[in-house]
Amino acid sequence: AQKITQTQPGMFVQEKEAVTLDCTYDTSDQSYGLFWYKQPSSGEMIFLIYQGSYDEQNATEGRYSLNFQKARKSANLVISASQLGDSAMYFCAMREARLSGSARQLTFGSGTQLTVLP
Amino acid sequence: NAGVTQTPKFQVLKTGQSMTLQCAQDMNHEYMSWYRQDPGMGLRLIHYSVGAGITDQGEVPNGYNVSRSTTEDFPLRLLSAAPSQTSVYFCASSLDRAGYGYTFGSGTRLTVV
Repeated sequence: AQKITQTQPGMFVQEKEAVTLDCTYDTSDQSYGLFWYKQPSSGEMIFLIYQGSYDEQNATEGRYSLNFQKARKSANLVISASQLGDSAMYFCAMREARLSGSARQLTFGSGTQLTVLP
Repeated sequence: NAGVTQTPKFQVLKTGQSMTLQCAQDMNHEYMSWYRQDPGMGLRLIHYSVGAGITDQGEVPNGYNVSRSTTEDFPLRLLSAAPSQTSVYFCASSLDRAGYGYTFGSGTRLTVV
């Protein structure tokens, strides 16, 4: 079973509007971290935001916020006031804390390609 | 502070050739990983290391070898290149903390013909 699911291969948003990118995850671990990365067309992986499984408040970083619903196992990324420079591929990823082995590494979803329209 | 340095940025190999992708980090991170990125599949873990002298397999290890003789370096070896190994390869490093994200290198675009 996939650990990270991103069901939106592509999304479009008008400049200055808000957009939500969906991410659901699957884990039996109680302690884990959820991450969002941005990959622009230049190819580098840019860390955006982190949410810990025990964090009571949703994470925010500037125009990025993470809508964390633990019971539903979802960690959606919200980008407010979209800018043309936000056009990129966005990846959701998870890191499990208590398990050993490869689970302690990042597991990625398949990504969502966001296009911001002028 | 260089972060994670990957070389080369681009490489074309013929089927059957071998090569080593280099990765170095200067942040004293315990964890280092190699991922490959293919269209529609996100990043998949090839091999990882939790410290010098310790390596293990990830999701897609076949055809690749790694070693970690120092904390800083984590090279990825392609033993006998195949067209299925055409991909973008990322090296990443991190501290051993759940809340600590990975720092990625700039990637290597490999084409096997």
